[in-house]
Amino acid sequence: DVVMTQSPLSLPVTLGQPASISCRSSQSLVHSDGNIYLSWFQQRPGQSPRRLIYKVSDRDSGVPDRFSGSGSGTDFTLKLSRVEAEDVGIYYCMQGTHWPFTFGPGTKVDIK
Amino acid sequence: EVQLVESGGGLVQPGGSLRLSCAASGFTFSYHWMSWVRQAPGKGLEYVANIKHDGSEKYYVDSVKGRFTISRDNAKNSLYLQMNSLRAEDTAVYYCARDGRLTTWGQGTLVTVSS
Repeated sequence: DVVMTQSPLSLPVTLGQPASISCRSSQSLVHSDGNIYLSWFQQRPGQSPRRLIYKVSDRDSGVPDRFSGSGSGTDFTLKLSRVEAEDVGIYYCMQGTHWPFTFGPGTKVDIK
Repeated sequence: EVQLVESGGGLVQPGGSLRLSCAASGFTFSYHWMSWVRQAPGKGLEYVANIKHDGSEKYYVDSVKGRFTISRDNAKNSLYLQMNSLRAEDTAVYYCARDGRLTTWGQGTLVTVSS
């Protein structure tokens, strides 16, 4: 199975400041169709997860443009340009290229 | 508006069975792959299974193969997860989600396996 790792696992942030989460896969996530199926999910406290980013850098509908995704091959990044209070929660990356699809362990974002 | 509503969770003894349901609305259910993802209490996410739009392909994570069965009824806009031979480690909130890559999630249903 593809192992997904994230760093940091805990990220205290200052409101209005940028933040960044790294995600790495144990093998290339390039699918045979040429796409890279790397997604980012946000899980606010007490809520279901919500997809933010798909195929590395495409934002889902309704996701603020302060969220951006980048990366290639095995290294990926989720960036928040300016953290807001509503961004508190756990962020997971997930690879959807190789079955079984697998998630990273999650990065807990909270306010300093 | 896309809505997914899970039901069927509860307390079950080890070795027992449970059938989860997911009622879908707000989209053409028969056009989409559907998935089940679980989250043990205080833990991360685990992708459990998915099923093609017409039910012709199904995929399972190794830890549930042979014990869980994913199915769907497109006429009823419903997704199911039949869980047999349940173990303590199956205790989790089970979410259904639209598409193989999880575009929209339900609110989840809690399954507790304990004697």
